[in-house]
Amino acid sequence: EIVLTQSPATLSLSPGERATLSCRASQSVSSYLGWYQQKPGQAPRLLIYDASSRAAGIPARFRGSGSGTNFTLTISNLEPEDFAVYYCQQRSTRPLTFGGGTKVEIK
Amino acid sequence: QVQLVQSGAEVKKPGASVKVSCKASGYIFTNYYIHWVRQAPGQGLEWLGIMVPDDGRTASAQKFQGRLTMTTDTSTSTVYMELNSLTSEDTATYYCARVEYSYAYYWGQGTLVTVSS
Repeated sequence: EIVLTQSPATLSLSPGERATLSCRASQSVSSYLGWYQQKPGQAPRLLIYDASSRAAGIPARFRGSGSGTNFTLTISNLEPEDFAVYYCQQRSTRPLTFGGGTKVEIK
Repeated sequence: QVQLVQSGAEVKKPGASVKVSCKASGYIFTNYYIHWVRQAPGQGLEWLGIMVPDDGRTASAQKFQGRLTMTTDTSTSTVYMELNSLTSEDTATYYCARVEYSYAYYWGQGTLVTVSS
């Protein structure tokens, strides 16, 4: 199965700063990678699909990039509601797999 | 609006089975695949499998094969996930999620399954 490694595990930032999250795949997933946001006690929410496309209603400050094995989620100008855990997920090959998550916390 | 409403929390003993339901509304039930994903307390997300409500086809992660059964009742727009031979490692919140953009987009509220003697 394809292993997704997210880094860093925790990112401590202040509102207004930029967050850069990384997701690395153990083999190429082409562009078949998505990003989710999860807040405590809630189900995950899809932010980005197929590496760089924003899901409906997702603000433009969320930007996904990358292909093959290296992917990045950039959140520019962090808003208070952006502090959460972020997961990447590949749909290239079954079983679908998720990364271990990056927690973006308030510094 | 699209809604997925799951059944309530369960407490099971080791070796037992659990069946979680996921009732869909707000769209044509047979037109969209459904994922099952779980999350152990304080841990990440784990994909269990996917089913096609239209014809009942399923595909599951190999680690759950033989223990996981996914079924559908099109008359009530409900999908079911049954997991057998439970151990403490199966303690988790189980989510159903409808596919959009080929990813899990509309999620149920989650069902906490606790396995404890």
